[in-house]
Amino acid sequence: DQQVKQNSPSLSVQEGRISILNCDYTNSMFDYFLWYKKYPAEGPTFLISISSIKDKNEDGRFTVFLNKSAKHLSLHIVPSQPGDSAVYFCAASASGSRLTFGEGTQLTVNP
Amino acid sequence: DAMVIQNPRYQVTQFGKPVTLSCSQTLNHNVMYWYQQKSSQAPKLLFHYYDKDFNNEADTPDNFQSRRPNTSFCFLDIRSPGLGDAAMYLCATSRDTLAVDFGPGTRLTVT
Repeated sequence: DQQVKQNSPSLSVQEGRISILNCDYTNSMFDYFLWYKKYPAEGPTFLISISSIKDKNEDGRFTVFLNKSAKHLSLHIVPSQPGDSAVYFCAASASGSRLTFGEGTQLTVNP
Repeated sequence: DAMVIQNPRYQVTQFGKPVTLSCSQTLNHNVMYWYQQKSSQAPKLLFHYYDKDFNNEADTPDNFQSRRPNTSFCFLDIRSPGLGDAAMYLCATSRDTLAVDFGPGTRLTVT
């Protein structure tokens, strides 16, 4: 039972354009959501998070949007840079429980 | 720099030969986790220690064991590795927060 799903295994965008990475979840008890970025041969690194009491959180070029009614969150990267090319995982937690991860989306930003 | 360190980065073992992966942290985090990640899949939590309390995931095979002799170190023991256990093993830590910090991972190959 995959409670967190990233339906797009890959995404390719041009440098300078917006990257939009999507994530859907099924567990209505999830109240905290995170995005991690992973480069090859490295562990995932924390990028940005959002609590269910908010619908938007912004940190520099990265913005996460949460639509609770649709059980959907998205990560916007603007402008995209070649260094953003990585696998992006979304993760969710319910009341401080362990994180449940999605399968990841490979983002490629072309110069 | 405070960090999560995993050794070795690459481990090759023979089918059925016990292997131990190690993790250490300088973050003084009270929670340590072991995740298994196979290609194009979500990181899967095997177990975690909350301080000294061991928490095993229900679907973690008995073949996988863990030890945490002190706050800084945590070990993953695979008693009889099978071909299906070849994966990236990620150690992570957190301090009563949801944003876990990952190590670089150990790539396990079973021959």
